[in-house]
Amino acid sequence: TQLLEQSPQFLSIQEGENLTVYCNSSSVFSSLQWYRQEPGEGPVLLVTVVTGGEVKKLKRLTFQFGDARKDSSLHITAAQPGDTGLYLCAGASGNEKLTFGTGTRLTIIP
Amino acid sequence: GAVVSQHPSWVICKSGTSVKIECRSLDFQATTMFWYRQFPKQSLMLMATSNEGSKATYEQGVEKDKFLINHASLTLSTLTVTSAHPEDSSFYICSAIRSGHVNEQFFGPGTRLTVL
Repeated sequence: TQLLEQSPQFLSIQEGENLTVYCNSSSVFSSLQWYRQEPGEGPVLLVTVVTGGEVKKLKRLTFQFGDARKDSSLHITAAQPGDTGLYLCAGASGNEKLTFGTGTRLTIIP
Repeated sequence: GAVVSQHPSWVICKSGTSVKIECRSLDFQATTMFWYRQFPKQSLMLMATSNEGSKATYEQGVEKDKFLINHASLTLSTLTVTSAHPEDSSFYICSAIRSGHVNEQFFGPGTRLTVL
């Protein structure tokens, strides 16, 4: 069974601070995706990383895929209240199915 | 583009009744759709893979006779929770893969099922 552990599970920080969320596994994934989910809604795709060592930037969000394609990180610079939500990583293994991480609930305090 | 809808968005039913949830890809064709359930404050757990024109593939521990999946067209998959019980109360979310775009799953807004 593939497991994706995210850390921290909960994070509450002040507006303007930086933060990093980690997504770790012992399994290799062909690609890894990051989603943000608001309460009562479905997840919204933020980014897909495919190549080991790949770094993608989306405004204040920086995503990195580990060299061995087993882990990933999400770094947010100057967090804003609009960044509040549940962040989920999800790994794909070539058969189209996604394995979701345990989730990180982020709260940005104005 | 790539919008996925679910209907209903929420449903309350009595124990023992069956509930059908629809998942539609509005502006693209999807040969493969997935059904997930999410308990409060938890992540998404894959229930089954829905393939157009063939039987669904269920994950280990998911009762196929309880959660009936039908993918009759390239834009519609349905999940029927049969003889629902309170422990089936959950947030059910579907996703669809746009044909030819293997790495992209587009998620529906979810359906909140409450069984009394």
